[in-house]
Amino acid sequence: QKEVEQDPGPLSVPEGAIVSLNCTYSNSAFQYFMWYRQYSRKGPELLMYTYSSGNKEDGRFTAQVDKSSKYISLFIRDSQPSDSATYLCAMNLAGGGNKLTFGTGTQLKVEL
Amino acid sequence: GAVVSQHPSRVICKSGTSVKIECRSLDFQATTMFWYRQFPKKSLMLMATSNEGSKATYEQGVEKDKFLINHASLTLSTLTVTSAHPEDSSFYICSARDSASSREQFFGPGTRLTVL
Repeated sequence: QKEVEQDPGPLSVPEGAIVSLNCTYSNSAFQYFMWYRQYSRKGPELLMYTYSSGNKEDGRFTAQVDKSSKYISLFIRDSQPSDSATYLCAMNLAGGGNKLTFGTGTQLKVEL
Repeated sequence: GAVVSQHPSRVICKSGTSVKIECRSLDFQATTMFWYRQFPKKSLMLMATSNEGSKATYEQGVEKDKFLINHASLTLSTLTVTSAHPEDSSFYICSARDSASSREQFFGPGTRLTVL
């Protein structure tokens, strides 16, 4: 079993839709959670960083963490074609020396 | 802020040659940098952790003599792929942790290596 599971997609939605991206994890020691966006042939870009259960909002993005269920989500409101990319969840341990464990990434396509 | 650059962005080399990739944090200091490898449509695989002023820590299965890492300053780490072979062709990405921040890592744009 992988430590972090993420549906690779592809996920195709119409412009303006609300997108829900999810990851589950098996190691309850993970304490810090991140979402990265990666465009084709580019490096990942940090979108959201959270460390507590609950919601964190930044513009059209909301990150949700449920540590009891070992489940994290990223919601994108009013999705735009420019949101088309691969979204990677990542997490690390409290004392893990900042090593990130990544999900496989979900490929998102927002269509006009 | 929090910009990480990589150079070169793309390199093509002959089998048996060595290739050096630079990773720089442009507007912050990074005591720790990370080197990843990414295959098409796959996630990032951590290769090694680069610590300024000390030896890098390599992940299991990564040959330290094959992938030489030097972190000579708080803003620069280099990865040298020695005696490159076609199976080393991949997308190499570095990340840097802002020394002033607890956990956030910022990634470079990646280097596409093709070994002929």
